[in-house]
Amino acid sequence: AQSVTQPDIHITVSEGASLELRCNYSYGATPYLFWYVQSPGQGLQLLLKYFSGDTLVQGIKGFEAEFKRSQSSFNLRKPSVHWSDAAEYFCAVGVISGATNKLIFGTGTLLAVQP
Amino acid sequence: DSGVTQTPKHLITATGQRVTLRCSPRSGDLSVYWYQQSLDQGLQFLIQYYNGEERAKGNILERFSAQQFPDLHSELNLSSLELGDSALYFCASSVEGERYGPYEQYFGPGTRLTVT
Repeated sequence: AQSVTQPDIHITVSEGASLELRCNYSYGATPYLFWYVQSPGQGLQLLLKYFSGDTLVQGIKGFEAEFKRSQSSFNLRKPSVHWSDAAEYFCAVGVISGATNKLIFGTGTLLAVQP
Repeated sequence: DSGVTQTPKHLITATGQRVTLRCSPRSGDLSVYWYQQSLDQGLQFLIQYYNGEERAKGNILERFSAQQFPDLHSELNLSSLELGDSALYFCASSVEGERYGPYEQYFGPGTRLTVT
C-alpha cells in the first residue's frame, strides 16, 4: 500500500540555521512527490513538486528537495531558515489510480524557529 | 492566495445535525478534491469530482456526500454528525483534464467544523 513517513514530528532550529525535513515514501510505481506547508490557521500551500527529470527541485520561499529513488526519500531543505518559516510541513505522494490523482500525506513535521 | 475559496471558515453545530460545506475551485480547474484533517487520522482524501461527475472515493463515510455543480463549485454534505467528525475540511482543485497524469492540487483555506 502507498504510504508516506515523516519521522520527525517536531523540529526546532535557530533562525539562520540550515534545515532538512525528512520524508520517505512507499509506492510501487513512479512516485509523484509534493511538499506542502501549513501555517497556523491557514490552508496548505504547495512548496514544490517532483514529477520527473532533475532529481533536485527548487520551490518557493527558498526551499529545495531532492528525490532519491534508491532511498525512497524526498527530503526538504533550506540553507537558512527565517522566523516566518515556522509552520507545519507535509510531504505527499500523488497516487494515480484509475481516473484519480489523490494525494497521500505524511503525518507532518512541525517546525519551530528560535531567535 | 491559492484561488480556491471555501465557506464558511468556521462551523459549530450539535451532534445529529447536518451541515453543508462549500468550495469554489480556481478559475479553469475542472477537478475538485475534498480532504479531512483531524488530529487522530491526519490528512485523508475523501472524494473527487471532475466536471460534475464523481471520479473517486476515499475514506468517506456513508453519512457524507458531495456533489459538483455545473458552475464547478462543489458542496460536501455531512449528516448525522458525531463528535468525531470535528475536523478541518479542505477542498483542493486541479487543472487535470481527460489525460491522466500527475497534477498539482491547490488547496483552499479550509472549513473548521466543531461538533458539540
